[in-house]
Amino acid sequence: QVQLQESGPGLVRPSETLSLTCTVSGGYIDNYYWNWIRQPPGKGPEYIGYVYFMGDTKYSASLNSRVTVTVDTSKNQFHLNLTSVTASDTAVYYCARSKGDTSRSPLDSWGQGTLVIVSS
Amino acid sequence: DIVMTQSPDSLAVSLGERATINCKSSQSVLDNSNNKNYLSWYQQKPGQPPKLLIYWASTREYGVPGRFSGSGSGTDFTLTIGSLQAEDVAVYYCQQYYSSWTFGQGTKVEIK
Repeated sequence: QVQLQESGPGLVRPSETLSLTCTVSGGYIDNYYWNWIRQPPGKGPEYIGYVYFMGDTKYSASLNSRVTVTVDTSKNQFHLNLTSVTASDTAVYYCARSKGDTSRSPLDSWGQGTLVIVSS
Repeated sequence: DIVMTQSPDSLAVSLGERATINCKSSQSVLDNSNNKNYLSWYQQKPGQPPKLLIYWASTREYGVPGRFSGSGSGTDFTLTIGSLQAEDVAVYYCQQYYSSWTFGQGTKVEIK
C-alpha cells in the first residue's frame, strides 16, 4: 500500500518561500497525479495543485502566481514551493495521490500532514 | 470556482440512528459525456488527514463500511450514515473534482 510523507521546515518567515517535499513509498510515482492540499487551523481543506509524473502541472487559481509543484521520479518525490508567504499561509500541508489515471479523480492516499507556521 | 455548500454545519445523532449530510454545488458536477458525478466525500478525525469514503457520488471506497452511502446528481448530494457508530464521530467534507477541486466547509458529526 502506497504511503506518503511530507517533510520540510515547520516555521517560515513572512515574504520567504515555503518549500516542502512529499516522499512516496510502497509504490512508484509513475502513472499517477500527485497533489498538494492545505488546511488552515479549524477550517476546511483547500486545494493547491498537482503534478503528473511526466511533469504536467495545474494550480489553484487563487495561488497560481505563487505556487510551483515539481516531481523527481528518480527519488519517488514531489515538491511544493510557495513564494512570498504571509500569515494566511499558515496551515497543515498535505500531499495526496489521485485515485485514477486522470487529473479529475478523488484523492485516495494522503500523507499525515505537516504544520507550517508563517511568523517572524 | 465551483462553490460547495454543506448543511448542516453540525449535527448530533444517537448511536444506531441515521445521520444525513447534504452538499450543494454552485454548478453541476455531472459530466453528461460519461454520466458521472465528479463528487466525493471524506471523513476527517482530529489529527488525521481526510479519508476518502465515497467517489463518483455513490461508489464506496474499498474497506469503507456499508453503513456509509452517497446519493444525488447534478448539484445536490447526500451522505448517509445508516446506523451511527461511536467511531463515526468526525468532520465530513464533500469535494468536487469536475472543475479544479473545491471542498465544502465541513459538517461535524457528534453523538447525542
